Amino acid sequence: AQSVAQPEDQVNVAEGNPLTVKCTYSVSGNPYLFWYVQYPNRGLQFLLKYITGDNLVKGSYGFEAEFNKSQTSFHLKKPSALVSDSALYFCAVRLTSGTYKYIFGTGTRLKVLA
Amino acid sequence: DVKVTQSSRYLVKRTGEKVFLECVQDMDHENMFWYRQDPGLGLRLIYFSYDVKMKEKGDIPEGYSVSREKKERFSLILESASTNQTSMYLCASSYEPYEQYFGPGTRLTVT
Repeated sequence: AQSVAQPEDQVNVAEGNPLTVKCTYSVSGNPYLFWYVQYPNRGLQFLLKYITGDNLVKGSYGFEAEFNKSQTSFHLKKPSALVSDSALYFCAVRLTSGTYKYIFGTGTRLKVLA
Repeated sequence: DVKVTQSSRYLVKRTGEKVFLECVQDMDHENMFWYRQDPGLGLRLIYFSYDVKMKEKGDIPEGYSVSREKKERFSLILESASTNQTSMYLCASSYEPYEQYFGPGTRLTVT
């Protein structure tokens, strides 16, 4: 079955430290990759995407993500975390063969400690 | 800015009732989606539509149906609500094949 894995339910990081939220996928073909963020009591907001090109993509709020084809990973990163980055983060893939479906990971709660 | 609106933020229904959740987008997107979000399970796709009157089942369509009569509107129908359909329901839209824009969600409680 095609799937997206976010291996950590929660990530804790001190304010000012770099952060990484991990995502790996197991799908056929060459999917498009996305990160979304969900703040409390709000819908999901798009952060960034990888379609093609440079493996390092930059997005909103200083976030970036690195695509690694051989490891089928798309980890989310930020050089210096802010308390306001505390939220629920979802990785998603858009399949490119046979269907228009998107598959989401189970989410990682990021807690940035002051 | 893209706007996706959902008809209710909170809804309480009784077991066996027919429930309608409505979603409207204002950016002429071809694709529209319905997900449910449950703790620890992430977002699971119920149905999606890539054109008016076109629909495709997602991963958990059982107990649900959808309707898309106009491009901007995508409705999710619970034919006979059950307690295991208590959840947060999220609607989204997108230009093919790019990022999705989400509505604020409807928290449905079935008692």
